[in-house]
Amino acid sequence: DGGITQSPKYLFRKEGQNVTLSCEQNLNHDAMYWYRQDPGQGLRLIYYSQIVNDFQKGDIAEGYSVSREKKESFPLTVTSAQKNPTAFYLCASTPDRGPVTEAFFGQGTRLTVV
Amino acid sequence: AQSVTQPDIHITVSEGASLELRCNYSYGATPYLFWYVQSPGQGLQLLLKYFSGDTLVQGIKGFEAEFKRSQSSFNLRKPSVHWSDAAEYFCAVGVHISSGSARQLTFGSGTQLTVLP
Repeated sequence: DGGITQSPKYLFRKEGQNVTLSCEQNLNHDAMYWYRQDPGQGLRLIYYSQIVNDFQKGDIAEGYSVSREKKESFPLTVTSAQKNPTAFYLCASTPDRGPVTEAFFGQGTRLTVV
Repeated sequence: AQSVTQPDIHITVSEGASLELRCNYSYGATPYLFWYVQSPGQGLQLLLKYFSGDTLVQGIKGFEAEFKRSQSSFNLRKPSVHWSDAAEYFCAVGVHISSGSARQLTFGSGTQLTVLP
């Protein structure tokens, strides 16, 4: 079945460490996104990528980095510069050009700083 | 820039009762509007979407939503709520980002629905 796979489901990070969240899609979608979700704040866009080897900052990119070496993969690294990384992270993708269509979401990764 | 407001943080209804979740948006052009549902610890599932045409749209699980341009609203409704509808609901507005394929989805802060037996 086509979909978006995020791993791991739960991730624990010590202060000062970088961690990488995985996102893989087999939907053949061009665009991929990373959102951060905090209670009572909805979802906020961290980074997005429209094509391979290209990505753009979203609304809250500071302390995060991404890469897009393959169409199906869009990993997110939470760096030690992110001061408050504990959150639920969602990866999404959308099909290519045309009318705005809905985003498809992964099941999320919950990151906790310990 | 676009914005979405969901004025109700938490709503409680009895099973079998009707439901209306409010959503107001701010956007200069014709919006693309979505409702998503999220169960605890899960990703988001699309309930329905509005792009153009008939302002009353039907979605999955018996949900519908009505686009009212004059009120900048896109409220979600269901005539009879089931216990399995308990979840968090997000309204979103989508716009194209530049000329590429990416879409900027701006989400409301969500409405948590509790269903009483």
